[in-house]
Amino acid sequence: EAGVTQFPSHSVIEKGQTVTLRCDPISGHDNLYWYRRVMGKEIKFLLHFVKESKQDESGMPNNRFLAERTGGTYSTLKVQPAELEDSGVYFCASSQDPGGGYYGYTFGSGTRLTVV
Amino acid sequence: LAKTTQPVSMDSYEGQEVNITCSHNNIATNDYITWYQQFPSQGPRFIIQGYKTKVTNEVASLFIPADRKSSTLSLPRVSLSDTAVYYCLVGDTGFQKLVFGTGTRLLVSP
Repeated sequence: EAGVTQFPSHSVIEKGQTVTLRCDPISGHDNLYWYRRVMGKEIKFLLHFVKESKQDESGMPNNRFLAERTGGTYSTLKVQPAELEDSGVYFCASSQDPGGGYYGYTFGSGTRLTVV
Repeated sequence: LAKTTQPVSMDSYEGQEVNITCSHNNIATNDYITWYQQFPSQGPRFIIQGYKTKVTNEVASLFIPADRKSSTLSLPRVSLSDTAVYYCLVGDTGFQKLVFGTGTRLLVSP
């Protein structure tokens, strides 16, 4: 089966611009997560969707970040306006079971965002 | 979520067995122990999960002592391609926020 796919793999934007990251989870996975690693830091949770509903968005850093999952399939994460500290790698993960279950979460390869 | 402590880095040679130990002194009764592997420019990849005693799959074994305050990930006969960062995570079965630490950077040399 296809894995979790993220677009784009890299994005370089100027401070103040808008960027939209996309994640296509494994087909049939109701649970979709966004994580990110900013420079020199650990991977941090951003939010969790169950189908199209936000189950937990406690990790979203501020209101410049907007995540959507219309129709419960793919998800987008928009950063508007982007700031320098938003630079990092954004990972998406999906799972059939909310706790990952026996097979854990499947992560995408990430989108490397650079804000200049 | 229970905090985990693991070595920052480890070195090994091809063909050797590697054991990475993780401490989780505050593990709760409902917590499971999960290990992920991450290669450069890729997302973390699930390796193995366990609750107690021993779990084995085609990739690794996970040893958990009776007190569950630590766990050991065992990689048999490592190859160069096992060079990666290995993360130990602890959480209950419904844990929907993975809490990553700094992980253990394993370097396998020829």
